[in-house]
Amino acid sequence: GAVVSQHPSRVICKSGTSVKIECRSLDFQATTMFWYRQFPKQSLMLMATSNEGSKATYEQGVEKDKFLINHASLTLSTLTVTSAHPEDSSFYICSAPWNGGDYNEQFFGPGTRLTVL
Amino acid sequence: AQSVTQLDSHVSVSEGTPVLLRCNYSSSYSPSLFWYVQHPNKGLQLLLKYTSAATLVKGINGFEAEFKKSETSFHLTKPSAHMSDAAEYFCVVALGSNYQLIWGAGTKLIIKP
Repeated sequence: GAVVSQHPSRVICKSGTSVKIECRSLDFQATTMFWYRQFPKQSLMLMATSNEGSKATYEQGVEKDKFLINHASLTLSTLTVTSAHPEDSSFYICSAPWNGGDYNEQFFGPGTRLTVL
Repeated sequence: AQSVTQLDSHVSVSEGTPVLLRCNYSSSYSPSLFWYVQHPNKGLQLLLKYTSAATLVKGINGFEAEFKKSETSFHLTKPSAHMSDAAEYFCVVALGSNYQLIWGAGTKLIIKP
């Protein structure tokens, strides 16, 4: 199956700083990637759809200026949490659909745990 | 509107006994349905998927699920639980061709020795 990586796996930062999370499709091209947020003991919440070469589509209630998404190539999408605050602490997961199989099958990165002090 | 309901937030079974994790869905389309597993501090792993072929779907690690359109259900089962099955399980519905997924709230499976 296809592989999606995320970097870093864990990050701790001070309040007010910005944090960039990378999501890469390692052995396939992904024109679309998805960014999720998962709070402890809760399900995944879709934040935005990242589109290669165009603007991301954000879900209702997600601040575009807070969570900047850049999908600069067919294998890389980045999520930047700007001016992070403790309430932004969460587990961030990306996914990418793989057209080599079922078009609805997505492959998930291992996640990035962000802790904002 | 599409939705997914996992009927139990926690399920606790003894090792070696059967597992049943319940999932009901609501979809205007012919759905694609998935079960994912998330072990502590690990990424999501696809257990199995239904995409309008056979209604009984076999997945990895001995899990299977049956799509019942009349009951709008897609329950996950395993004949004999193993300690390594302890994890969080998510039932997911795919929305058409735009790849978006609707996630259930998750069921935590606890295996007692």
